[in-house]
Amino acid sequence: SQTIHQWPATLVQPVGSPLSLECTVEGTSNPNLYWYRQAAGRGLQLLFYSVGIGQISSEVPQNLSASRPQDRQFILSSKKLLLSDSGFYLCAWKSGTSRQFFGPGTRLTVL
Amino acid sequence: AQTVTQSQPEMSVQEAETVTLSCTYDTSESDYYLFWYKQPPSRQMILVIRQEAYKQQNATENRFSVNFQKAAKSFSLKISDSQLGDAAMYFCAYRVLIYNQGGKLIFGQGTELSVKP
Repeated sequence: SQTIHQWPATLVQPVGSPLSLECTVEGTSNPNLYWYRQAAGRGLQLLFYSVGIGQISSEVPQNLSASRPQDRQFILSSKKLLLSDSGFYLCAWKSGTSRQFFGPGTRLTVL
Repeated sequence: AQTVTQSQPEMSVQEAETVTLSCTYDTSESDYYLFWYKQPPSRQMILVIRQEAYKQQNATENRFSVNFQKAAKSFSLKISDSQLGDAAMYFCAYRVLIYNQGGKLIFGQGTELSVKP
């Protein structure tokens, strides 16, 4: 069966520090991968999606970047965090016409 | 661009009663998918129900059903026999089917459902 992992689960970082959040998927090949951010009390906003290795589509201009170095690995990064980067980050995957499956999320607090 | 609107930030229902959550969307596409996701306090996103736009029949999953009105671009969720475990944030979502859009989801702002014992 397929599973999706995200780490870390919780992260507290100072403003201006770098960021690296990792997402990995098991049990499927060539999935579409997605990064969403959820601000407190709000809906999910799509940040990036990827349909293959090295292919990244950005949905909104921001302080973040994404990379897909391997088929089932999706990384969200920042060189210098801003206070506004705080939120709950969700990774998701989809294969074919199936629904999206979400990971457990990472709660990021920037102080 | 596609948008999803949930006009009810909060809803409340008595245990065992029925509640309907509203969702409207805007799109120029004729083929797409619509979803309702549940997010409990654990913040895990759980799929509740899915509707294909080309299907006229409303989707049903046990106590959960939808009222899909394609012409009105409305997609409401009905929860029957509400249970305490149904308390959560509910998100309506639209999935783009355009090939180069990667199957991305566009979410509404959510409705916080509380269930009173």
